[in-house]
Amino acid sequence: AQSVAQPEDQVNVAEGNPLTVKCTYSVSGNPYLFWYVQYPNRGLQFLLKYITGDNLVKGSYGFEAEFNKSQTSFHLKKPSALVSDSALYFCAVRDRRAGGYNKLIFGAGTRLAVHP
Amino acid sequence: DVKVTQSSRYLVKRTGEKVFLECVQDMDHENMFWYRQDPGLGLRLIYFSYDVKMKEKGDIPEGYSVSREKKERFSLILESASTNQTSMYLCASSLRIGGAYEQYFGPGTRLTVT
Repeated sequence: AQSVAQPEDQVNVAEGNPLTVKCTYSVSGNPYLFWYVQYPNRGLQFLLKYITGDNLVKGSYGFEAEFNKSQTSFHLKKPSALVSDSALYFCAVRDRRAGGYNKLIFGAGTRLAVHP
Repeated sequence: DVKVTQSSRYLVKRTGEKVFLECVQDMDHENMFWYRQDPGLGLRLIYFSYDVKMKEKGDIPEGYSVSREKKERFSLILESASTNQTSMYLCASSLRIGGAYEQYFGPGTRLTVT
């Protein structure tokens, strides 16, 4: 079965420290992977995606993600966290059963709290 | 910039009422999606549409229906609202086929059914 797992409900980081939000996936074939962020009472905003090529993908707001095929992971990272990065983060994988309709399967979300 | 708008940010309805949630996108996207978001469950797909008048069930379609009469507009209908449909509802749109086109989301409608 295709799925996405975000093993941490919440991640706490001090401002200025590096942050990592974890994501693992299970999908047949080559995955298309996405990260989204949701600020309070807002919709989801696209951060970055991995399709093919370089395993390190750069996205919006200084975020990057590392694709690791052997570990089936796509962890979100940022070298120096800001208080304004506090939000809910979702990992997603393209549903390959969907006949190319670009359906996504989302993880349960990880709440990132950055403390001053 | 892609813009996806939803008709209401907050909605309170009574059990048994018929509820309409409207979504409009301005980027000529073929695909449109309705999700519900609940704590600890992430986003679950209710219905999606890949063209005008075309629709497909998602993972949790029970108790919902949809309508897409125009390309830019996708409506979610709760025929008889129940308390277990209290949730955040998110609409999204994307290009249709091929590649890996990200979905663009509206701001969400927080529905409370009492």
